Amino acid sequence: AQKVTQAQTEISVVEKEDVTLDCVYETRDTTYYLFWYKQPPSGELVFLIRRNSFDEQNEISGRYSWNFQKSTSSFNFTITASQVVDSAVYFCALSDPSNTGNQFYFGTGTSLTVIP
Amino acid sequence: SAVISQKPSRDICQRGTSLTIQCQVDSQVTMMFWYRQQPGQSLTLIATANQGSEATYESGFVIDKFPISRPNLTFSTLTVSNMSPEDSSIYLCSVGSGPPEQYFGPGTRLTVT
Repeated sequence: AQKVTQAQTEISVVEKEDVTLDCVYETRDTTYYLFWYKQPPSGELVFLIRRNSFDEQNEISGRYSWNFQKSTSSFNFTITASQVVDSAVYFCALSDPSNTGNQFYFGTGTSLTVIP
Repeated sequence: SAVISQKPSRDICQRGTSLTIQCQVDSQVTMMFWYRQQPGQSLTLIATANQGSEATYESGFVIDKFPISRPNLTFSTLTVSNMSPEDSSIYLCSVGSGPPEQYFGPGTRLTVT
């Protein structure tokens, strides 16, 4: 069965600190996609990144970076030099279209608070 | 990416009434999805709506409670029927196109009193 676990429910950091949000997933498929979304207080889900299971290269986008490790079934998200605007709930999600079409499986989210 | 709008953005409704939420996309899409996010919780898929066919509901969700329409490739509605306080949630519409991508609307915040 497909499952996404975000063990960190809430994290607080002081501005300019680095923070890593953990995501562990389960799937039996060899072809799947992993995602991160940001949900600010306004409620809208903002797409951050998608990775497919065949691409384990880490990715960096500005202050954001992602570490995908199939060996540990993890897809962790690091924010460098955090800012107050990073305060939001972050969701990790899994999709395996060969098995369940376009259905997404979301983790329970990590609420990040950046303290000025 | 698709631009998605939802109406209303928020509403406060009385127990026993129904609310219809609209989702409009700026481009034609095959698959549209409706999610529910209860307070402090993750997203739960309610149903998948494909144009020209009946919506496919996930376990725990039934058509009588959450009827869905999909009259064309850019529009869908979700009705929350006979509401109770437990229906207080954010309802999100999303659209997908393969390879799997899903873009979400801004959500509808529903409070049932």
